[in-house]
Amino acid sequence: GNSVTQMEGPVTLSEEAFLTINCTYTATGYPSLFWYVQYPGEGLQLLLKATKADDKGSNKGFEATYRKETTSFHLEKGSVQVSDSAVYFCALLLIGNEKLTFGTGTRLTIIP
Amino acid sequence: GAVVSQHPSRVICKSGTSVKIECRSLDFQATTMFWYRQFPKQSLMLMATSNEGSKATYEQGVEKDKFLINHASLTLSTLTVTSAHPEDSSFYICSVDGWANTEAFFGQGTRLTVV
Repeated sequence: GNSVTQMEGPVTLSEEAFLTINCTYTATGYPSLFWYVQYPGEGLQLLLKATKADDKGSNKGFEATYRKETTSFHLEKGSVQVSDSAVYFCALLLIGNEKLTFGTGTRLTIIP
Repeated sequence: GAVVSQHPSRVICKSGTSVKIECRSLDFQATTMFWYRQFPKQSLMLMATSNEGSKATYEQGVEKDKFLINHASLTLSTLTVTSAHPEDSSFYICSVDGWANTEAFFGQGTRLTVV
């Protein structure tokens, strides 16, 4: 079956630190990969996505590269801000299948 | 992109009562909506696919009589947790249209606490 494994939280970093949140996946086929973010009190929002191997998704200073050889889609940001504090979800979607498969979510807290 | 509004954001109910959660697509006609549930420290798990004008499709292990889904219009799907019990306490979230190469748009989620 399909599954997503992501780094357990919570993660606490100081402002301007480098961020990595690991995500690996198992899928029967070639999925599209997503990172969603949930800010406090809000719904999930798409942060970035990649639809094929070696694609790099980027948005708001965050990046993730679709690595087929390691079945990974790690989220990175070079310098985090307090406003990045949120829960981050890695997810996959197989073409032709409407159903997103999510990881457990990683709570990130950035302290000034 | 589509705006999805979910209501209420939080609800506390007594054991044995029923709770209705609404999911509205404000600017997009959604023939399909999705209901997810999240337990603490666990993944968002798909519960069911809500189809406008027809019966919902439930995932394995989800009780259809317990979690009633109605998708009467292209902009509204409702999830009713019937005869709620404390183990139904969870975070419920709806989404619209998660096709490959496009976004899935999510509601704000509903935190249900059954006491």
